[in-house]
Amino acid sequence: QKEVEQNSGPLSVPEGAIASLNCTYSDRGSQSFFWYRQYSGKSPELIMFIYSNGDKEDGRFTAQLNKASQYVSLLIRDSQPSDSATYLCAVSRIFGNEKLTFGTGTRLTIIP
Amino acid sequence: KAGVTQTPRYLIKTRGQQVTLSCSPISGHRSVSWYQQTPGQGLQFLFEYFSETQRNKGNFPGRFSGRQFSNSRSEMNVSTLELGDSALYLCASSLGRTANEKLFFGSGTQLSVL
Repeated sequence: QKEVEQNSGPLSVPEGAIASLNCTYSDRGSQSFFWYRQYSGKSPELIMFIYSNGDKEDGRFTAQLNKASQYVSLLIRDSQPSDSATYLCAVSRIFGNEKLTFGTGTRLTIIP
Repeated sequence: KAGVTQTPRYLIKTRGQQVTLSCSPISGHRSVSWYQQTPGQGLQFLFEYFSETQRNKGNFPGRFSGRQFSNSRSEMNVSTLELGDSALYLCASSLGRTANEKLFFGSGTQLSVL
């Protein structure tokens, strides 16, 4: 079992709809959760992070964390063609200087 | 403020050769992490350096090594290259004070091993 799992997609969503990206993790000691966006041929860019159970909203993006079920999700409202990218989920332990463990990413395509 | 700079951008080597990749972090950042990205495995952590010391290490063979200089610039070396080492190598920098800081990634070095 991979430490961080994501559906590789591609996930196709109509423009203006809500895109829902999911991630599960195996290490119950994980405390910090990140979503990175990576455009084709570009480097990853942090778009959201969440530490506590529940929802965290930032503009059109909402991160949701459920530690009991060991999953974290990213919702993108009012999806735009510019949201088409690969979304990487990453987790780390909060104690010490542990490395970030990434999932393999979900490729999202917004259809105009 | 300049971003993370990686050189070279592209590299072609043959099996058995060795290669050195360079990463200059954002000014003031003391932590540099290296990742290998391949289509099948995604982003895999190689190692992290902070103040010239390796602070974390991933599960890669000893052929992969790195170092960090006093100005925080970092180099990664791969010896005895194998075909499977073909990948995008990304470095990321951060202030390095906690594990949860934002990582800033460079554009990467695309390594092809023939």
